Amino acid sequence: GQQLNQSPQSMFIQEGEDVSMNCTSSSIFNTWLWYKQDPGEGPVLLIALYKAGELTSNGRLTAQFGITRKDSFLNISASIPSDVGIYFCAGPLLIQGAQKLVFGQGTRLTINP
Amino acid sequence: GAGVSQSPRYKVAKRGQDVALRCDPISGHVSLFWYQQALGQGPEFLTYFQNEAQLDKSGLPSDRFFAERPEGSVSTLKIQRTQQEDSAVYLCASSLAAFGPQHFGDGTRLSIL
Repeated sequence: GQQLNQSPQSMFIQEGEDVSMNCTSSSIFNTWLWYKQDPGEGPVLLIALYKAGELTSNGRLTAQFGITRKDSFLNISASIPSDVGIYFCAGPLLIQGAQKLVFGQGTRLTINP
Repeated sequence: GAGVSQSPRYKVAKRGQDVALRCDPISGHVSLFWYQQALGQGPEFLTYFQNEAQLDKSGLPSDRFFAERPEGSVSTLKIQRTQQEDSAVYLCASSLAAFGPQHFGDGTRLSIL
């Protein structure tokens, strides 16, 4: 089935550093979504991308929808402790009457004290 | 409450027991999704309801898994004769419309001993 591959799987950075992670797929997606999941909580939508080539920002977060529609990246600038968590990319696939989400395996972000 | 509510938050069961997990979606949300999240992985789709109708159950791993939403609001995911491989976090998401953004609950962490 559809698979989204995220890299890196984990990142260890210093507070204040910029972060970059990406997501690739063997198939085309018409929408790319980026979620963040904190321990013990559900995923929360950070950014949604709807158009190939689109660059969208949400505060310190910037995401781009790849031109080929098979990839996307997420950047976080000037990281702070609350950025710690797992970041997932996701793409919607059509099912009967709706769209289910297919998720990557996540990038775990850790900030060293 | 304003968000998707799931209960219990944690469930421990012995292998072979039946369990029932509950999801209260956001009021007025037509669409309801169940996902399974194994440790260290992204969520994977299980089943989808539009109001009380279960339109897609292609992700249910076996016939031991059963979901219902009899009145088009609260949903229950039931797992019969649980096995160790059923241990995971079960996430529920709801959306106002079939193709709208999905809002996730905090999940039920199920541990099978």
